[in-house]
Amino acid sequence: KQEVTQIPAALSVPEGENLVLNCSFTDSAIYNLQWFRQDPGKGLTSLLLIQSSQREQTSGRLNASLDKSSGRSTLYIAASQPGDSATYLCAVGGNTGKLIFGQGTTLQVKP
Amino acid sequence: DVKVTQSSRYLVKRTGEKVFLECVQDMDHENMFWYRQDPGLGLRLIYFSYDVKMKEKGDIPEGYSVSREKKERFSLILESASTNQTSMYLCASSLGGANTGELFFGEGSRLTVL
Repeated sequence: KQEVTQIPAALSVPEGENLVLNCSFTDSAIYNLQWFRQDPGKGLTSLLLIQSSQREQTSGRLNASLDKSSGRSTLYIAASQPGDSATYLCAVGGNTGKLIFGQGTTLQVKP
Repeated sequence: DVKVTQSSRYLVKRTGEKVFLECVQDMDHENMFWYRQDPGLGLRLIYFSYDVKMKEKGDIPEGYSVSREKKERFSLILESASTNQTSMYLCASSLGGANTGELFFGEGSRLTVL
């Protein structure tokens, strides 16, 4: 059974710092991996989708990497800003058509 | 722009009431999903659908049912609401058949059952 883990559960950094959020999964037979952002009381916003054949995806200050063999993905946020404060979730998609979510990392960027 | 709309952002219902949560997507997506999100438990899949009139149970279907009469609309039904169904409910949709593409979520419906 696929399990997705995100460590740490919470992270606090000063503004301007580059940071990395981690996501690990137990079954490497995935179709894709997606990173989301969630603001308090809101739905999830898709940030990046990496297909299983890809190694990374970039969008603005965000870069997500995927290493299927080791069961890991990282989300790199460059030059963090207070507006980046949110919970970040990763989710893996397999051949069942369902996404399995991690518990998320809550990020606080202090001005 | 992709849009998933959940009809109610906040609902308060009484135990035993029948509750309908509506979700509409305007992207012609085949796949639609209902999740609930609870502190400490993360997102859990309730039901999903790959096509009109088709439904599959997720990880926690007990106490819920769904309806997909039209491609763009996926409804979650609580036949007899209970207090343990107090939660944030999230609808999502994606392109494709069995393999999940990029998933798009609605804003969520926060349900309180008294």
